[in-house]
Amino acid sequence: GEDVEQSLFLSVREGDSSVINCTYTDSSSTYLYWYKQEPGAGLQLLTYIFSNMDMKQDQRLTVLLNKKDKHLSLRIADTQTGDSAIYFCAELDRDDKIIFGKGTRLHILP
Amino acid sequence: KAGVTQTPRYLIKTRGQQVTLSCSPISGHRSVSWYQQTPGQGLQFLFEYFSETQRNKGNFPGRFSGRQFSNSRSEMNVSTLELGDSALYLCASSLGRTQETQYFGPGTRLLVL
Repeated sequence: GEDVEQSLFLSVREGDSSVINCTYTDSSSTYLYWYKQEPGAGLQLLTYIFSNMDMKQDQRLTVLLNKKDKHLSLRIADTQTGDSAIYFCAELDRDDKIIFGKGTRLHILP
Repeated sequence: KAGVTQTPRYLIKTRGQQVTLSCSPISGHRSVSWYQQTPGQGLQFLFEYFSETQRNKGNFPGRFSGRQFSNSRSEMNVSTLELGDSALYLCASSLGRTQETQYFGPGTRLLVL
């Protein structure tokens, strides 16, 4: 079945850029998403990208999509302590279901 | 606009019992999706309801069921609870189709003893 893979942990110094990577298997995915989950909270949609796009920028967030390699990344510029959270990559599969990765826990170093 | 609300926020049950969780979507949203989140399996899709009809279903046993009412509020029910059902159950609502922005509730944390 479809699968979404991402590394479990990432540590970044405050002020640096964070890059969270994700790979997916369903080549027919039309939408790819990045969600953020803070402790004790539900998921917050950060951004999404259509499969016919290569890049999307939204303030400090940049999403890059390499459809050939089925690779998605999220770059957070000027990482702040408030960015500390779990980031989930997700794809909309051919059956119209959203498949989530297991999440990358972003830790900010002072 | 009020966000997605879920009740109760926390629940403790014992094996064999059944449980009903409730989700109230954002006003005007007609689609409600349910997810189970566990440390081991991550976020897994349970089902989606749209206009009182189940539109999509994940790979969960028949013990997991749901329904949606005419006001778009949704409930999910788990019968004959097992220890492995302990999880955070998240509900998400969207205006129409799944591809649109989904707004998540805070979740119901279920502990099965």
